[in-house]
Amino acid sequence: GAVVSQHPSWVICKSGTSVKIECRSLDFQATTMFWYRQFPKQSLMLMATSNEGSKATYEQGVEKDKFLINHASLTLSTLTVTSAHPEDSSFYICSARIRVGSYNEQFFGPGTRLTVL
Amino acid sequence: AQSVSQHNHHVILSEAASLELGCNYSYGGTVNLFWYVQYPGQHLQLLLKYFSGDPLVKGIKGFEAEFIKSKFSFNLRKPSVQWSDTAEYFCAVNRGSQGNLIFGKGTKLSVKP
Repeated sequence: GAVVSQHPSWVICKSGTSVKIECRSLDFQATTMFWYRQFPKQSLMLMATSNEGSKATYEQGVEKDKFLINHASLTLSTLTVTSAHPEDSSFYICSARIRVGSYNEQFFGPGTRLTVL
Repeated sequence: AQSVSQHNHHVILSEAASLELGCNYSYGGTVNLFWYVQYPGQHLQLLLKYFSGDPLVKGIKGFEAEFIKSKFSFNLRKPSVQWSDTAEYFCAVNRGSQGNLIFGKGTKLSVKP
């Protein structure tokens, strides 16, 4: 299947700093990418939908000024956690949507574990 | 509210036991259904999916799932589990081709050797 990478795989930062996470589709172009957040022992919660060349669509309750999303090309979306706080510590997962025949499928990245001290 | 429910939080089985993980969703209309697996330390991988046609779908590694529209269910099954099946399993649903995936809370499967 299609491969999605994320970088970094884990990051530790100090409170108040900003962290950028990259999501790349390695062997296909993705007009749409998604960013999820996963808390321990909980499900993946969709944070936002990232569309190439346009503004991201954020889910209710997600602060768009805190979680900046940029989808600059068909193979790259970035999530920047601005002024990170310990409560932002989580596992962030991206996915890319691709058309397979007459259906859309999502392929997931390996995730980025963020720890804010 | 729209939701996906996975009934079991943690299932513990011995090798060669049969497995069934429940998944129910609360949407009407056309849905696409998925089961994903997340092995320890790895990313989500698609096990199987249902879009249309035969409601009994077969996936990788001997897994299968049955879509029962009248029960809004898409249960995952495997006749004989192996220790290597130890992982977390997520059911997901989207509505139509453009909808976002909505995930259940996941079921952790532990298989004892």
